[in-house]
Amino acid sequence: AQRVTQPEKLLSVFKGAPVELKCNYSYSGSPELFWYVQYSRQRLQLLLRHISRESIKGFTADLNKGETSFHLKKPFAQEEDSAMYYCALRKRAGANNLFFGTGTRLTVIP
Amino acid sequence: NAGVTQTPKFQVLKTGQSMTLQCAQDMNHNSMYWYRQDPGMGLRLIYYSASEGTTDKGEVPNGYNVSRLNKREFSLRLESAAPSQTSVYFCASSEVGRSGELFFGEGSRLTVL
Repeated sequence: AQRVTQPEKLLSVFKGAPVELKCNYSYSGSPELFWYVQYSRQRLQLLLRHISRESIKGFTADLNKGETSFHLKKPFAQEEDSAMYYCALRKRAGANNLFFGTGTRLTVIP
Repeated sequence: NAGVTQTPKFQVLKTGQSMTLQCAQDMNHNSMYWYRQDPGMGLRLIYYSASEGTTDKGEVPNGYNVSRLNKREFSLRLESAAPSQTSVYFCASSEVGRSGELFFGEGSRLTVL
C-alpha cells in the first residue's frame, strides 16, 4: 500500500531563511510525486511535480528514490509563502488517484 | 472560467438527514473526484469518475453515493448523515494524461450534529 508522510504539521521560519518541507513516501512501484499548496482563502492548487523538474516561485523538489523522499525547498523564504503544503503521490502516470499527505502549515515570520 | 464550482459552501445537518453536494466543472475534463479533508488526515478520496458514465470507489466510500450526471457534473450524496461525516469536502477535476494536475473547488464545509 502507498503512504505519504509529512512529519511536520507546523513549520515556522523567518523571512529570508531557507525552508525545507519534508515528504517521505512508501510505495513499491515508480510513483509520481507532487506538491500542492493552499494559500489563505484560495483553492488548493498544484505547485510543482517531480517529472517537470521545474522551479516554481523559487521552490524546488527532488525525488530521491533511495530515501523515498520528495522534500520541498526554497533558499530564501518570503512572507507570501505562508500557506498549507501537501505532498501527493500517484502510483503511475495516468493513474486516477492522488494520495495526499497530512499537510504542513508553513508560516514565514517577517 | 469558473473552473470547479461546488455547492453548497456550508451545510449543517442532523444525524440521519440526507443531502447532496453538487460539483460542476467548465474545463471539459474527463475525470472528476470527491475528497474529504479532516484535521490530521489530509485529503482522502471518496469516489472518482474517470469518464462520463463511470464511477469508482476511493479510499473512504462508505456512507456516500455519487452520480456522474454528465461530463460537467459530479454529485456526492449522503443518504443518512452521521457525525463522522463532518468534514470539508472538495471536488476536483483533471484531464486524463501524464500531467496529473487536479483542479479543485473551494470546498464545502459540512457539519453533522
